[in-house]
Amino acid sequence: QQQVKQSPQSLIVQKGGISIINCAYENTAFDYFPWYQQFPGKGPALLIAIRPDVSEKKEGRFTISFNKSAKQFSLHIMDSQPGDSATYFCAPLTSADRGSTLGRLYFGRGTQLTVWP
Amino acid sequence: EPEVTQTPSHQVTQMGQEVILRCVPISNHLYFYWYRQILGQKVEFLVSFYNNEISEKSEIFDDQFSVERPDGSNFTLKIRSTKLEDSAMYFCASSETPPRGINTEAFFGQGTRLTVV
Repeated sequence: QQQVKQSPQSLIVQKGGISIINCAYENTAFDYFPWYQQFPGKGPALLIAIRPDVSEKKEGRFTISFNKSAKQFSLHIMDSQPGDSATYFCAPLTSADRGSTLGRLYFGRGTQLTVWP
Repeated sequence: EPEVTQTPSHQVTQMGQEVILRCVPISNHLYFYWYRQILGQKVEFLVSFYNNEISEKSEIFDDQFSVERPDGSNFTLKIRSTKLEDSAMYFCASSETPPRGINTEAFFGQGTRLTVV
């Protein structure tokens, strides 16, 4: 069962442009919505995350937009830089206080972002 | 900055052999996970571990797999009889206890690339 659908699979953006990556989920029990960033040869690292009680969260050039009714959330990277070139994963989870499975992440398929200088 | 450490970084093994992948989680974390990533595919959950027992395992985690926390610091994944399709990058992750959904973050190691020949 594919609980998380991420798009696009790859994205090429000019330096200074906006990168947008989308994630749709099925499980309404998800209550925490992180984005992970992975560089080649490294493990995924948390980039930014949002709780469902807000519709948007911004940290520097990175913004998450959350649409609970549509069961979608997206990552926006403003003023994209070559150093942002990486693979991005959405990986929602159900937190433990919802009787979950102790923080298991449900990864999307990943988006390979390339930012051209 | 504390980090999750995995050894070895790359292991080549013959089909049918046993392998043990090792992880040292962040010292004050009590929730531990193994994920794997087949080349070019998404990150897949294998197992979560808490209080010296498995909390959840995926359909991938069959009888050939086992996990152990032998000495209070290491967290190991054993594959008893490796198959070609076990070739993947294996990531260990740990998180602070308990993951109540407030800034829950799973910290990932750099991974062990397992190649079964």
